[in-house]
Amino acid sequence: GAVVSQHPSWVICKSGTSVKIECRSLDFQATTMFWYRQFPKQSLMLMATSNEGSKATYEQGVEKDKFLINHASLTLSTLTVTSAHPEDSSFYICSARRRGGPLAYEQYFGPGTRLTVT
Amino acid sequence: RKEVEQDPGPFNVPEGATVAFNCTYSNSASQSFFWYRQDCRKEPKLLMSVYSSGNEDGRFTAQLNRASQYISLLIRDSKLSDSATYLCVVNMLGGYGGSQGNLIFGKGTKLSVKP
Repeated sequence: GAVVSQHPSWVICKSGTSVKIECRSLDFQATTMFWYRQFPKQSLMLMATSNEGSKATYEQGVEKDKFLINHASLTLSTLTVTSAHPEDSSFYICSARRRGGPLAYEQYFGPGTRLTVT
Repeated sequence: RKEVEQDPGPFNVPEGATVAFNCTYSNSASQSFFWYRQDCRKEPKLLMSVYSSGNEDGRFTAQLNRASQYISLLIRDSKLSDSATYLCVVNMLGGYGGSQGNLIFGKGTKLSVKP
């Protein structure tokens, strides 16, 4: 159990375009999903916390108007990188936390989306 | 001081060796603790949660020392397939509650197991 999918797994886009990344919990309901970013040889950095049915909470330094998050259901959160620039090129990973139960504090990660902006 | 600190390695060990990873965290209010492994260009995968009493899962043993704010992972009889980066992860929340679940990641310790 605890499978999280992400789509697409990799994307190349031109500077100035927008890219949408989907994160789905396949076999459990997730009240909370998280979006992380990882640059080469760096640790994962939390970008935002996405709660189903409410606005996302962004970490300091992350532009909410640039990284749009929508968490419309208990199994789907989307991250849209708007007006992407080369410095946005990174590995974007989502994670989902189960709703309730003894494993409610464990997070399960999607396979990640490698974004390259040219 | 970084929130979660790990020796970056790399640790190069022969098959069958025992290897230990250490991790320290700075926030004494941290509530839950994990070890994840991350293969190159892949997402982190949960290896095990770490409990105050210590816990073991096959060849893997995790220990937590809250007084010293120190976490360890021991791998016995290492296999080639254990080669990966091991991430020490700390969460401010424990149990079931809260609307936030901010996982703080260490940079990871790279392990390379050689034949």
